[in-house]
Amino acid sequence: AQSVTQLGSHVSVSEGALVLLRCNYSSSVPPYLFWYVQYPNQGLQLLLKYTSAATLVKGINGFEAEFKKSETSFHLTKPSAHMSDAAEYFCAVSARRTGYSTLTFGKGTMLLVSP
Amino acid sequence: DTEVTQTPKHLVMGMTNKKSLKCEQHMGHRAMYWYKQKAKKPPELMFVYSYEKLSINESVPSRFSPECPNSSLLNLHLHALQPEDSALYLCASSQIDGAGELFFGEGSRLTVL
Repeated sequence: AQSVTQLGSHVSVSEGALVLLRCNYSSSVPPYLFWYVQYPNQGLQLLLKYTSAATLVKGINGFEAEFKKSETSFHLTKPSAHMSDAAEYFCAVSARRTGYSTLTFGKGTMLLVSP
Repeated sequence: DTEVTQTPKHLVMGMTNKKSLKCEQHMGHRAMYWYKQKAKKPPELMFVYSYEKLSINESVPSRFSPECPNSSLLNLHLHALQPEDSALYLCASSQIDGAGELFFGEGSRLTVL
């Protein structure tokens, strides 16, 4: 079975500060990993994905994540937070099936950005 | 702009009403999904369709009835809902192959009175 653990239900940063959102996974097979962002009353938007092509993955809006197999981690970072980054962030691992896939989500981390 | 379109964005219904949520995608994806999301929680999988056939029903009560009329459309028919069914309902689609990322719509906010 696959699982994802996000450390910290809330993370607060100041505008311009480094953003670090933590995600650890458990998987018996090489995982496909994703970060999604959800703004209030909206759907989930894919930020980036890891598919084993490269351990450092760059996504939209200046975010990136590094896959570390030895630490079973896939933490999300952004060098400088912007007020518009305030949202809920979900880490997810994919289980591939024939004809579809199922995502197992972490519980989410709310990013709060203060001026 | 999302390429998965959901209608309506907001729906208020009584417990005796019958209503439907609609989802449409034009990305050529052959897998489509319904998720339910309560406030401050991750999405929970309800149904999966692959090639227009129901592949997964996560023990969802029969008052929720999914339908996939064709490869682009996905409906969720609602009947005799309970107030605890109030939630954000998300539709998603994905390629049959690939990494398995899902593309989500904006959601339909359902309130059951």
